Amino acid sequence: QSALTQPASVSGSPGQSITISCTGTSSDVGGYNYVSWYQQHPGKAPKLMIYDVSNRPSGASNRFSGSKSGNTASLTISGLQAEDEADYYCSSYTSSSTLVFGGGTKLTVL
Amino acid sequence: EVQLVESGGVVVQPGGSLRLSCAASGFTFDDYAIHWVRQAPGKGLEWVSLINWDGGSTYFADSVRGRFTISRDNSKNSLYLQMNSLKTEDTALYYCAKAAVGTIVYMDVWGKGTTVTVSS
Repeated sequence: QSALTQPASVSGSPGQSITISCTGTSSDVGGYNYVSWYQQHPGKAPKLMIYDVSNRPSGASNRFSGSKSGNTASLTISGLQAEDEADYYCSSYTSSSTLVFGGGTKLTVL
Repeated sequence: EVQLVESGGVVVQPGGSLRLSCAASGFTFDDYAIHWVRQAPGKGLEWVSLINWDGGSTYFADSVRGRFTISRDNSKNSLYLQMNSLKTEDTALYYCAKAAVGTIVYMDVWGKGTTVTVSS
């Protein structure tokens, strides 16, 4: 159950778009369309932003979108806003019927 | 309002035991699988365990398998995590999180967490 690989940090200016990658293996990300993304502000609980690779739950901004190619999933945030500054985590279902998270990516809005 | 409230986190010595609880409200508890997820200080999220709607199926991360057990009492709308043989690396904020309807693969509601510190 090795953690999925995410960049430690990304940054962007307001209004720009950024993409966060999440790389796993064929036993997790590549094997299932069950990647989800969570946003976590400091001192707060995580919040679901994307599920099943590219679906957005009610309450999540439509500026957030997800995709997947092979063993790598991606979260794109368009029209970056100051409130988007947070930590982002990907998660995937695995062939062991467990879940695995990525190491997390700190997004800085410049 | 859908709500999850964790409790039971304390300071415990290495090798000790502890039971965490998660009280659910605002939804039909026995319709949903529930997860435990932890976050060590300054670190990322780590998935810990999952129990299905009726407690008949349970799953664990390799790091806790054989030491932790998960259970639920649907009559009390409550989830539990029994933690034995605790190690310093189990120190973390422990969240319970509700799976979405009809699935186990993502969590749509999270509690605020309870802090477990394993230290001598």
